[in-house]
Amino acid sequence: EAGVAQSPRYKIIEKRQSVAFWCNPISGHATLYWYQQILGQGPKLLIQFQNNGVVDDSQLPKDRFSAERLKGVDSTLKIQPAKLEDSAVYLCASSLVGRAETQYFGPGTRLLVL
Amino acid sequence: KQEVTQIPAALSVPEGENLVLNCSFTDSAIYNLQWFRQDPGKGLTSLLLIQSSQREQTSGRLNASLDKSSGRSTLYIAASQPGDSATYLCAVKLAGAGSYQLTFGKGTKLSVIP
Repeated sequence: EAGVAQSPRYKIIEKRQSVAFWCNPISGHATLYWYQQILGQGPKLLIQFQNNGVVDDSQLPKDRFSAERLKGVDSTLKIQPAKLEDSAVYLCASSLVGRAETQYFGPGTRLLVL
Repeated sequence: KQEVTQIPAALSVPEGENLVLNCSFTDSAIYNLQWFRQDPGKGLTSLLLIQSSQREQTSGRLNASLDKSSGRSTLYIAASQPGDSATYLCAVKLAGAGSYQLTFGKGTKLSVIP
């Protein structure tokens, strides 16, 4: 069974530019998560989708971050405009529906903002 | 607000030694607790998941315990090997309706010296 796929793996941009990350979850997983992991910290949830709908985006900086999950499968996370403090690893995870279900993580996209 | 603390931040042990990693959390109303492993440049791999009603889980050389009332969990690694070198993250999932988000600690970086 294929795991969670993410692209690109690495991205370097200058501040005030925009960037987008893509995630393809495990087949059949209705719940999808985006986490931000700053160096030396644990991952922090940015947004949780169930199918097409947003369940939790309370920690998403909505003035610059946006995310969508069209057709309930793939998802994109966008940052516009990027700031220096957005440098981090962006992890996508997916799970079956239900609080008891394990989240499976992708390899992440490492973003460096100069 | 749930806070998760992991001690120590880094640990170096000789090969073959048994070791314990510690995790504490502030809100005991958890649904479950999970231990992950993170290798450099890679995503998170789930090691053990303990439901709130359980006291411990075992997988091979790994044993995780949970004391919900005191807000503590430990991960015991027996007969450590160089391949165990990685960052170990503890995460809790809160009970109750809504988000399934995991709240992570900052991790313990383990180095096993051959």
